[in-house]
Amino acid sequence: DQQVKQNSPSLSVQEGRISILNCDYTNSMFDYFLWYKKYPAEGPTFLISISSIKDKNEDGRFTVFLNKSAKHLSLHIVPSQPGDSAVYFCAASDVLTGGGNKLTFGTGTQLKVEL
Amino acid sequence: KAGVTQTPRYLIKTRGQQVTLSCSPISGHRSVSWYQQTPGQGLQFLFEYFSETQRNKGNFPGRFSGRQFSNSRSEMNVSTLELGDSALYLCASSYDRVSSAYNEQFFGPGTRLTVL
Repeated sequence: DQQVKQNSPSLSVQEGRISILNCDYTNSMFDYFLWYKKYPAEGPTFLISISSIKDKNEDGRFTVFLNKSAKHLSLHIVPSQPGDSAVYFCAASDVLTGGGNKLTFGTGTQLKVEL
Repeated sequence: KAGVTQTPRYLIKTRGQQVTLSCSPISGHRSVSWYQQTPGQGLQFLFEYFSETQRNKGNFPGRFSGRQFSNSRSEMNVSTLELGDSALYLCASSYDRVSSAYNEQFFGPGTRLTVL
């Protein structure tokens, strides 16, 4: 049972445009959401997170939106740069039930930013 | 500050053997979590150790076990290896601030295990 889903395995965007990566979840106990970026042969790197009490969090070029009623979150990257090309993972945690460091990951979206 | 280190980086074993992987967390971090990444299942949580005690556990068979030492270094062991255990095994550490419900996890580069 895939509790966190990233339905687009790949996304191609032109440099300077917006990249939008989507993620859906089914477990209503999840209350903290994160995005990680992963390059080949490296571990995932934390990008940005959002608590379920918020609907938006911004950090530089990265913005995460959370729609709790739809159980959907998205990551916006503006403007996209070639160095953003990587696999992006959405992850979720149920912090309030003590599972803070237990992350449930989506299957990832390969982002390619073209010149 | 040095990042999370994992040894070895690559490992080849045969079915039925056992394997031990090691993880050294960032200095000062007390929580260590282990994840398995495979093409079919993605990244899956194995277990988390905090202060030498297992604090969270994923849905893996008992062949997968771990432990944490007093210096926070952690090892995971897989016994009676199966072909399906071939994967990238990632370790993540976090500081575990009492004031925060969630603590950012920092991942190591992983150990690539191939079972023949």
